[in-house]
Amino acid sequence: NAGVTQTPKFRILKIGQSMTLQCTQDMNHNYMYWYRQDPGMGLKLIYYSVGAGITDKGEVPNGYNVSRSTTEDFPLRLELAAPSQTSVYFCASSLRQHRYGYTFGSGTRLTVV
Amino acid sequence: QQQVKQSPQSLIVQKGGISIINCAYENTAFDYFPWYQQFPGKGPALLIAIRPDVSEKKEGRFTISFNKSAKQFSLHIMDSQPGDSATYFCAAIPSGATNKLIFGTGTLLAVQP
Repeated sequence: NAGVTQTPKFRILKIGQSMTLQCTQDMNHNYMYWYRQDPGMGLKLIYYSVGAGITDKGEVPNGYNVSRSTTEDFPLRLELAAPSQTSVYFCASSLRQHRYGYTFGSGTRLTVV
Repeated sequence: QQQVKQSPQSLIVQKGGISIINCAYENTAFDYFPWYQQFPGKGPALLIAIRPDVSEKKEGRFTISFNKSAKQFSLHIMDSQPGDSATYFCAAIPSGATNKLIFGTGTLLAVQP
């Protein structure tokens, strides 16, 4: 059971380039999330999804887009990368019930230069 | 903006000592208060959680204390071990928020042998 898998683990982008961060889970979780983690700032929610075909903005959605065509996959798209998007990105999934918590992926470290 | 404030930012404890991390929340009603533990290069993992109708929850060496009237909750790690060295995040799920987590800013704990 792989849990939540994120690719790539590391990436360097030039300003203005675009890329897609991949996230897939094999636990049949309906809920999926994208967070970014910056030093001293905790984790901020970018986008989330409560099921296939349904997505919504989180706290910091600007500069990002998502899609959820299947239960398993929740890719995050960065258009026109900016240095402010340098961060560690975490994908997570969960069941509806709070007590089960989130299962996080191991993260993607992105640097925009 | 819903917030969860966490302190201290970093903490050094001797092996066998008690580690205490504090969090406070503002305004909104919350349904659930989980704590996450994150080791370097890994995603956060659920450690322990509490509902707002409970004043204390203990799991092994980890205890959450919850003060609803003061809107504060804390994590106590008894008999702290070097293997506990990690970053700890408190979090809260707003009522009716589709299981979205709001994270504190994190506490870097170092347990010295």
